[in-house]
Amino acid sequence: EDKVVQSPLSLVVHEGDTVTLNCSYEVTNFRSLLWYKQEKKAPTFLFMLTSSGIEKKSGRLSSILDKKELFSILNITATQTGDSAVYLCAVARGDDKIIFGKGTRLHILP
Amino acid sequence: DAGITQSPRHKVTETGTPVTLRCHQTENHRYMYWYRQDPGHGLRLIHYSYGVKDTDKGEVSDGYSVSRSKTEDFLLTLESATSSQTSVYFCAIKRGLSTDTQYFGPGTRLTVL
Repeated sequence: EDKVVQSPLSLVVHEGDTVTLNCSYEVTNFRSLLWYKQEKKAPTFLFMLTSSGIEKKSGRLSSILDKKELFSILNITATQTGDSAVYLCAVARGDDKIIFGKGTRLHILP
Repeated sequence: DAGITQSPRHKVTETGTPVTLRCHQTENHRYMYWYRQDPGHGLRLIHYSYGVKDTDKGEVSDGYSVSRSKTEDFLLTLESATSSQTSVYFCAIKRGLSTDTQYFGPGTRLTVL
């Protein structure tokens, strides 16, 4: 059975800290891995990764994929209170199905 | 916001009644998805569509059916609602074959009493 596992499930840090969120997967017919941010409403897209070892970066956020070890990390540097959210990892299969992990709830203390 | 709307946004219904949720998009995208989101479970795929009249099941499809008779509308039906179907339902579109990026609608909060 396909699965996407995120860790930790919950994380509390102080503003300015750097955080690393983890996503491991066991999915048949892997095509891509995606990261989303969800505040109080619908998820919003952050990154799509298809190739190992190539870092994607957007401001203070970055992500990388390791297809050999079947995991990805999402890094957030110099965290701000606005980064508080649930971060979702998802894997897209070749048949267009997309499987989500349960998310990591990140809380940034001022 | 990729032009996605969901209706209704909130609904309270009773066990055993039929319920239909509507997802509407204005950008003519081929792929549309229905998810439910529950505490402790993340987003779980119910059904998805890869074209008009072309649909397939996701991981939690029991008790749900879908229809897509027009590109812009993807309907999710609960034939006989149960309390276990109380959830937040999200619709999403995927913009094309070359990307897996999804854009989500605002969600529908459904309560089954």
